[in-house]
Amino acid sequence: QKEVEQDPGPLSVPEGAIVSLNCTYSNSAFQYFMWYRQYSRKGPELLMYTYSSGNKEDGRFTAQVDKSSKYISLFIRDSQPSDSATYLCAMSEVTAGGTSYGKLTFGQGTILTVHP
Amino acid sequence: SQTIHQWPATLVQPVGSPLSLECTVEGTSNPNLYWYRQAAGRGLQLLFYSVGIGQISSEVPQNLSASRPQDRQFILSSKKLLLSDSGFYLCAWSVSIAGTYEQYFGPGTRLTVT
Repeated sequence: QKEVEQDPGPLSVPEGAIVSLNCTYSNSAFQYFMWYRQYSRKGPELLMYTYSSGNKEDGRFTAQVDKSSKYISLFIRDSQPSDSATYLCAMSEVTAGGTSYGKLTFGQGTILTVHP
Repeated sequence: SQTIHQWPATLVQPVGSPLSLECTVEGTSNPNLYWYRQAAGRGLQLLFYSVGIGQISSEVPQNLSASRPQDRQFILSSKKLLLSDSGFYLCAWSVSIAGTYEQYFGPGTRLTVT
């Protein structure tokens, strides 16, 4: 079993739809959760960053973490064609001594297409 | 603001040839640096990370090596490339502050070994 599972899709939605992207994980030590957006042939871009359980909102994007279910989500409201990309979830444990060289474990990525 | 550069952007190399990919970061000091490989349709695999000059940790035994000759320079190398080394290579950096885990990625190098 992979540490992080993410449905690769592809997911196709009409412009204006609400998009829900999800990841599940098995390592209960993960406490930091991130979402990256990756356009074709480009490096990943950090979208959202959350710690532990709860919600975080930034514009049209909302990240949710449910540690009891080991489940994280990214919601995109009013989706736009420019949101078409691969979305990667990533997670990190708290490293020993609180050091910062956290090793991120990534999901496989979900390919999203928003059509006009 | 911080900027991360990678070059070359694309590379086609024959099997058995050497490899050198370079990554530099601007606008920050003493960053943590990382090399990842992304195979087609798959997530990112951490290859190496570095918390300081000359300090390299390897995550996956392989045909590759890394070096950090300067604070903001990270190099990925191979003496003899294999077909399986093909992929999208990404460099990333993070601030070296305890409790900070966000990583920021460069534009990547697409390597094809023929």
